[in-house]
Amino acid sequence: QLQLQESGPGLVKPSETLSLTCTVSGGSISSSSYYWGWIRQPPGKGLEWIGSIYYSGSTYYNPSLKSRVTISVDTSKNQFSLKLSSVTAADTAVYYCASRPRRCSGGSCYQYYFDYWGQGTLVTVSS
Amino acid sequence: DIQMTQSPSTLSASVGDRVTITCRASQSISSWLAWYQQKPGKAPKLLIYKASSLESGVPSRFSGSGSGTEFTLTISSLQPDDFATYYCQQYNIQDTFGGGTKVEIK
Repeated sequence: QLQLQESGPGLVKPSETLSLTCTVSGGSISSSSYYWGWIRQPPGKGLEWIGSIYYSGSTYYNPSLKSRVTISVDTSKNQFSLKLSSVTAADTAVYYCASRPRRCSGGSCYQYYFDYWGQGTLVTVSS
Repeated sequence: DIQMTQSPSTLSASVGDRVTITCRASQSISSWLAWYQQKPGKAPKLLIYKASSLESGVPSRFSGSGSGTEFTLTISSLQPDDFATYYCQQYNIQDTFGGGTKVEIK
């Protein structure tokens, strides 16, 4: 069973870059069966998909955040990471990493639901 | 963008009640819909995927139905552990989540 754990600073200053890492255990991040994703949840609000990555480095971003988001993968460490630049108070949220099954059909591959989640980490943007 | 609209936003119910939550998509998403349960301070937990497939280990009192633009999550007999917030998610084109339905004690 996959386990995911987020890590990174809990406080980031406005205009700076938020950086988080997700460490995967119980399986290989290089598995062809999974994509890896980031989701966030502002305090008291709903869920927002940030983006996803495949171990090959292919990335998929939420259009509303695309200009500020970079997701990368480090297969040697079984980790993937999130960078969000030029943060404001609106980026204050609990950030989750999660796995999502990958299914291929007819020469195309698709990202499914999120099955395993990290516990989440609160990142506050404040000076 | 595909918008996901959940209703109601809050639902008051008693143990043993049958509970139904609705999720509507702004355009057809076929059956590419999941349902999650979230408790305070915890990560969401997958309940249902592909609109009606029950995730392993999830009690059979949870069921999902629908296709196209209208979907429902039903809890056949509400248990004390089921008081939580429920979210739908479409994964047909990119991902969007519904706004959530909080199931509270009546």
